[in-house]
Amino acid sequence: EPEVTQTPSHQVTQMGQEVILRCVPISNHLYFYWYRQILGQKVEFLVSFYNNEISEKSEIFDDQFSVERPDGSNFTLKIRSTKLEDSAMYFCASKRGQNTEAFFGQGTRLTVV
Amino acid sequence: KQEVTQIPAALSVPEGENLVLNCSFTDSAIYNLQWFRQDPGKGLTSLLLIQSSQREQTSGRLNASLDKSSGRSTLYIAASQPGDSATYLCAVRPGGTSYGKLTFGQGTILTVHP
Repeated sequence: EPEVTQTPSHQVTQMGQEVILRCVPISNHLYFYWYRQILGQKVEFLVSFYNNEISEKSEIFDDQFSVERPDGSNFTLKIRSTKLEDSAMYFCASKRGQNTEAFFGQGTRLTVV
Repeated sequence: KQEVTQIPAALSVPEGENLVLNCSFTDSAIYNLQWFRQDPGKGLTSLLLIQSSQREQTSGRLNASLDKSSGRSTLYIAASQPGDSATYLCAVRPGGTSYGKLTFGQGTILTVHP
């Protein structure tokens, strides 16, 4: 069964460092998303990506964040200068269409020290 | 702004019980609602998707209903098993040009004990 895969599963980084979180969405899906979940809190929307551009972003997704689909299969989230409060589980998700089922990856646990 | 609330926050039941998890949302203008399961420290596994035009969806021992006008959904789990222990999340796709993003509730932590 097709699935969304994320790497790495866990990343520890020092404050101020850049991190890149990687995702491989399901191959025939057209809509891609990043969400995050701070420990004990709700899953929060960060950004949606369609047709090779950002289609919507939340207020969390400031200039420190960027997304890219560099080669038609990978979908990445970059955090330029990490802060302690960026520590969270980051989930990638994809959908075939806007109104179809969302499939999530297993997440990357980011710890900023 | 759409808000999603889940009740109860936690539920502990003996194996074999039928149970109901509740989800409410403040804005009835949704496209669909999706139920997920999350095991500790893991990703989200999709359980059921209900479109706004549908009243219910079933998958195995799971049945989800949707009452869009009153802003409610329920997830019914029949004959619960210890393997059902997990956090159950509901999420709505808000109306408007939302490009399919989801707004989540805080989840119900379910424990089924043998």
